[in-house]
Amino acid sequence: DVKVTQSSRYLVKRTGEKVFLECVQDMDHENMFWYRQDPGLGLRLIYFSYDVKMKEKGDIPEGYSVSREKKERFSLILESASTNQTSMYLCASSPGGPNSINYGYTFGSGTRLTVV
Amino acid sequence: AQSVTQPDIHITVSEGASLELRCNYSYGATPYLFWYVQSPGQGLQLLLKYFSGDTLVQGIKGFEAEFKRSQSSFNLRKPSVHWSDAAEYFCAVGAPEYGNKLVFGAGTILRVKS
Repeated sequence: DVKVTQSSRYLVKRTGEKVFLECVQDMDHENMFWYRQDPGLGLRLIYFSYDVKMKEKGDIPEGYSVSREKKERFSLILESASTNQTSMYLCASSPGGPNSINYGYTFGSGTRLTVV
Repeated sequence: AQSVTQPDIHITVSEGASLELRCNYSYGATPYLFWYVQSPGQGLQLLLKYFSGDTLVQGIKGFEAEFKRSQSSFNLRKPSVHWSDAAEYFCAVGAPEYGNKLVFGAGTILRVKS
């Protein structure tokens, strides 16, 4: 069964810490995405990547960065965690190529991050 | 730019009753439309999708959705709800000319009462 795996289900970090959220997919997908999910706001795109070492900003990139050194792994980095980054973070992947959007995304189970 | 509106934040239905969750999108041409479901503490699972052809699409778990271009809507329906359908439901829209990004609605939380 195809999978997107997020390394942590729950994380508690202190304000100012550097935080790494890891996501690995085993489907050989070109596209990977990081969303954050907040009640009443749905999913908002933070960053995405269409290929190794390639990244593009989404709608809310401030305070975040990403790394994609290998095709299967896409990391989200909170450079200096703040309390307003307390949220559920969801990683997703999809195949590449034109019109590949018709496949939709495969999501991981999410990481619930609390910054105290 | 694309946008998605799910007008209902919460919906409560009785077990065995029919269900309709509303979704309206904003996009000029024919969009790619999706419904996802999220059970508590889980990621999102694809229920169904539409991008061309028959405007009534069938999905998993007995769900269906109808694309109505004139109303810019893609409402999700189920004829008889089960207690296990209690979850949060997200509508999403995308288009090839916007890359492979999906835009999600705010979600509708479904409660099922016995």
